[in-house]
Amino acid sequence: DAGVTQSPTHLIKTRGQQVTLRCSPISGHKSVSWYQQVLGQGPQFIFQYYEKEERGRGNFPDRFSARQFPNYSSELNVNALLLGDSALYLCASSFRWGSGNTIYFGEGSWLTVV
Amino acid sequence: SQQGEEDPQALSIQEGENATMNCSYKTSINNLQWYRQNSGRGLVHLILIRSNEREKHSGRLRVTLDTSKKSSSLLITASRAADTASYFCATDETSGSRLTFGEGTQLTVNP
Repeated sequence: DAGVTQSPTHLIKTRGQQVTLRCSPISGHKSVSWYQQVLGQGPQFIFQYYEKEERGRGNFPDRFSARQFPNYSSELNVNALLLGDSALYLCASSFRWGSGNTIYFGEGSWLTVV
Repeated sequence: SQQGEEDPQALSIQEGENATMNCSYKTSINNLQWYRQNSGRGLVHLILIRSNEREKHSGRLRVTLDTSKKSSSLLITASRAADTASYFCATDETSGSRLTFGEGTQLTVNP
């Protein structure tokens, strides 16, 4: 079975532009989360969705938004890109929402803002 | 905000030796998960240990959890060069599946 898949794997954007990152969870998983990992640091939680509803939001500005589709795939959008948005964006999925679920990560999307 | 703090930040050992990494956290947790990350890649799930468990094993991995000390350790026995990676602990202290990561331990296993 396929794991969590993300696209694109790498992209370069200019300051002020907008970016959309895509994620397909493991088949049967209904919860999707997004994390940002800046080089040399641990991942930071951005959003969590379950059954197409937002269930959690981290400490990120309103330039960051996300949504989950009926097939449980998800998109992360970042507007008005800043240099500091350069990072590895990781998508994760789990079968359910709630504590105690094993959370599986994709390979990530590397975003470079120049 | 960072919940877990891994110790040491970097660890270099020879193939065949054991590697121990520690994680401390600040608040009460529901469970703790360990992940491995090869350079520039995604996170690979290693073990989930619940707050009412004290020890779990998976192959060459052994994880312990001491909730009274708010700490966990990951032991890799008989290390291999392929174990070279960053290792992260992540805590789940909310009702949702929201993980808080430490900054990781960079393990280098020399052949």
